[in-house]
Amino acid sequence: DTEVTQTPKHLVMGMTNKKSLKCEQHMGHRAMYWYKQKAKKPPELMFVYSYEKLSINESVPSRFSPECPNSSLLNLHLHALQPEDSALYLCASSQRTAGDQPQHFGDGTRLSIL
Amino acid sequence: AQSVTQLDSQVPVFEEAPVELRCNYSSSVSVYLFWYVQYPNQGLQLLLKYLSGSTLVESINGFEAEFNKSQTSFHLRKPSVHISDTAEYFCAVSDGSGTYKYIFGTGTRLKVLA
Repeated sequence: DTEVTQTPKHLVMGMTNKKSLKCEQHMGHRAMYWYKQKAKKPPELMFVYSYEKLSINESVPSRFSPECPNSSLLNLHLHALQPEDSALYLCASSQRTAGDQPQHFGDGTRLSIL
Repeated sequence: AQSVTQLDSQVPVFEEAPVELRCNYSSSVSVYLFWYVQYPNQGLQLLLKYLSGSTLVESINGFEAEFNKSQTSFHLRKPSVHISDTAEYFCAVSDGSGTYKYIFGTGTRLKVLA
C-alpha cells in the first residue's frame, strides 16, 4: 500500500466543470509535488510545495491551481480544462526539498476531459 | 544541464533469465541517482537509490544497480526475473548543487515472457 493517498482514482469531467484532486500523506514530509504523466511517458513536474509554500511552478497554465492547506494535504483545483489535459496526475512527497531525498508517489488520479 | 538517457524503450526477456536496464546521465555536478518502477495503473515506487558510499546498491526484491562515475552510468540488473517484474522502469537524477528536481529518463518497459 502506498503511503501517499490520492483521491479520486478516476475522474471524468467536461471542459466547463470545476473539480479538485486531493493528496494526503502522514509521513511528516514537508515537501509535496504534483506531476502530470501522459501514457508511455515519464512524469512531468508541475508544482512543488516546501513547508506549505509554493516554491516551483513549472509554467503550468492557470486552469490548474494548487493549494497546500496544511503539511499533510495537497490539492489541485481544475477549471476549464482542455482535452489535452487528460492524463494521470501523480502526487509525491519527500522529507524536504533536497536532491538526496527520495520522493514517494501516490497511485495517481486518472483524469479524462470530455 | 543534466540529462538522463534510457536507450532501451522495451526489453523482452524470458522468465528466470538475467536482465540489465541501462541508464546513462550527464551532469557537471555531483548527482544522486534513483530507479523507480511503475506497475500498470499505479504510481511510481522507489526501487533503489545511490546517494554516496558503496557504488553497488541493492533492493529487497533482487534488483541491484551500480554507480559508475567514469562511464556516467547507473544500470539496473537482476540475475533472474519473474513474470511479476513486468513493468515500466524509470531512472531519475537529481543534483547536489541546490536544485532538487528529478530529471527522469524516458523509461524502459520490461516484459517478462513465460
